Amino acid sequence: EAGVAQSPRYKIIEKRQSVAFWCNPISGHATLYWYQQILGQGPKLLIQFQNNGVVDDSQLPKDRFSAERLKGVDSTLKIQPAKLEDSAVYLCASSLGKARGRDTEAFFGQGTRLTVV
Amino acid sequence: GQQVMQIPQYQHVQEGEDFTTYCNSSTTLSNIQWYKQRPGGHPVFLIQLVKSGEVKKQKRLTFQFGEAKKNSSLHITATQTTDVGTYFCAGLSSARQLTFGSGTQLTVLP
Repeated sequence: EAGVAQSPRYKIIEKRQSVAFWCNPISGHATLYWYQQILGQGPKLLIQFQNNGVVDDSQLPKDRFSAERLKGVDSTLKIQPAKLEDSAVYLCASSLGKARGRDTEAFFGQGTRLTVV
Repeated sequence: GQQVMQIPQYQHVQEGEDFTTYCNSSTTLSNIQWYKQRPGGHPVFLIQLVKSGEVKKQKRLTFQFGEAKKNSSLHITATQTTDVGTYFCAGLSSARQLTFGSGTQLTVLP
């Protein structure tokens, strides 16, 4: 079974530039998460989709971050304009998203390491 | 919003010693999940606890879920160098949000 795919793996941009990350979840997974992980910290939930609807985006800085999930499958996360404090690893995860059992286990992609200079 | 606290932040142990990390949620959880992240890697699922007071074991790892479904612990018996990494708890809320704790970074000295 293919895992969660993310690209690019690494990105270096200057502050005030724009950047986009792409995620392809595991086939059939209804729930998709975007997390931001700053070095030495736990993953912070930015946005959660259930199919193509947003479940939670309360911690997404909406003045600069946006995300969409096309047709309930792939997802993109965009930052425009980037700030120095956005330097982090951006992790995409997916789960089956059903009500019980192991279906809520989250499978993570390798992440995109963003450096803003 | 939901907050998940985890202590300690760092733990250094001698190989063969035991290790415990504790997790506390500000709200009652639907389930608690534990993940391990190796340096440079991504979080990998270890286990999920659903029932109040549940205890599960995986070889040298013992996981507990509190009676109130707000706290949890992970205990490793006789640590090995392969146990090195950061251990995260993650609480699933009734609204299906998965919130991670800050993690405990475990170093095992040979």
